[in-house]
This record gives sequence, structure tokens and C-alpha cells, in this order.
Amino acid sequence: ETGVTQSPTHLIKTRGQQVTLRCSSQSGHNTVSWYQQALGQGPQFIFQYYREEENGRGNFPPRFSGLQFPNYSSELNVNALELDDSALYLCASSLAKTGELFFGEGSRLTVL
Amino acid sequence: AQSVSQHNHHVILSEAASLELGCNYSYGGTVNLFWYVQYPGQHLQLLLKYFSGDPLVKGIKGFEAEFIKSKFSFNLRKPSVQWSDTAEYFCAVMSWVINTGTASKLTFGTGTRLQVTL
Repeated sequence: ETGVTQSPTHLIKTRGQQVTLRCSSQSGHNTVSWYQQALGQGPQFIFQYYREEENGRGNFPPRFSGLQFPNYSSELNVNALELDDSALYLCASSLAKTGELFFGEGSRLTVL
Repeated sequence: AQSVSQHNHHVILSEAASLELGCNYSYGGTVNLFWYVQYPGQHLQLLLKYFSGDPLVKGIKGFEAEFIKSKFSFNLRKPSVQWSDTAEYFCAVMSWVINTGTASKLTFGTGTRLQVTL
């Protein structure tokens, strides 16, 4: 176990809807990152939050947004869902200066 | 821009066979490299990492990897695989945010699916 928990584990949405995914970081970690893993692919970096501010962003449109809270937990929000958003969404926590990421088990999103 | 290539997409080995999975990276900054494993239905787990020092890195479960700077490679090896090593293996390179000195993103390869037969 990594101490990183994500919810929900599975969910189904329809095109155009909005979704919020949640992540609780490992105790003591001050950085949280989100990744999208499509079927048969490696995880793709969405963005990272450090001290409640975005600290880097991958090649994802603005309808992907996030928050980090004072307790270092985090949310990933996706608006106007598209079919291609169907994927496993991974949250990872870390200490900002060390770089080693600890991943949760992911939230599997299916968009119909 | 950084990138990682894993040329072996699917590898099938018999138990006790030796394993080598290829990983080549492209990154202009300080190189920090990782191998992660994803067992079926489980989260990504760190196998080993290279930050500096000895280019031969030993990880968990008998895995090791060698960083060869001149070849931009970080191949994963295991002398004798077990059925329980059946999983997806990902190589990744870490980027750093210069102005904050913080670790930024991992860029992953597409993964290698290892299937070990009895």
C-alpha cells in the first residue's frame, strides 16, 4: 500500500457531463500529480500541484482542472466529457524535492 | 522535449529465463530515471530508480537496471524470472522545475507487457 487513496474507483458518465475525482495524499507529502492512462498506453502527465498551486501542466485542454487543499488532498475536474476521456486516472503524491512518486490505484472513468 | 521509448511491447518468457527490457530516453537536463511495475489490478509500484552515482542500480524483487549515458539507455534486467513477475513494466524519466527546484513530471514509455509461463 502506498497510502494514496482515490475515489471513486469506477464511474460511468455520458458525453458532455462533468466529473470530479478525488485523491488523498500519503501523509507528509506536499505534492500531488495527476496522470491519465488510456488502455494499452503509459500514464500521461496532466498536471501537478505544489503548495496549492499548479506546478506544471501537460498537454491537456483547460477543461481539465484541479485543486490542492491545505491538507494536500486534491481533486481533478473534467468538464464537457468526451469519449476519449475514458481512461484510468492516477493520482500520485510525493515530496517536492525528492521526485519519487507514490501512486494510488486509480479511478477508472468510462464515458458513453 | 523529453521522451521515453520502450521497444519491446510484449515479451513472453518461460520461468527461470533471463529478462532484459529496453528503455531509451531523451532529456536535456539532469537525468533521473525510474522503472515502475503494474501488476494486474494493482497500482504502479516503483521497482528502482537512478539519480546519480553507480550506474548499476539494484531494485526490489531481484531487478536491476544499468544507466548508460552514452547510449541514452536504462535497460531493466533480471537473471531469472518467476511467474509472479507477469505484469506491465514502465520506464520513466523525471523532469525538474528549475525555478522552484521541485520534481515535476514523469514521462513514461508505452510499457512492456511481460508474460511468464510455467
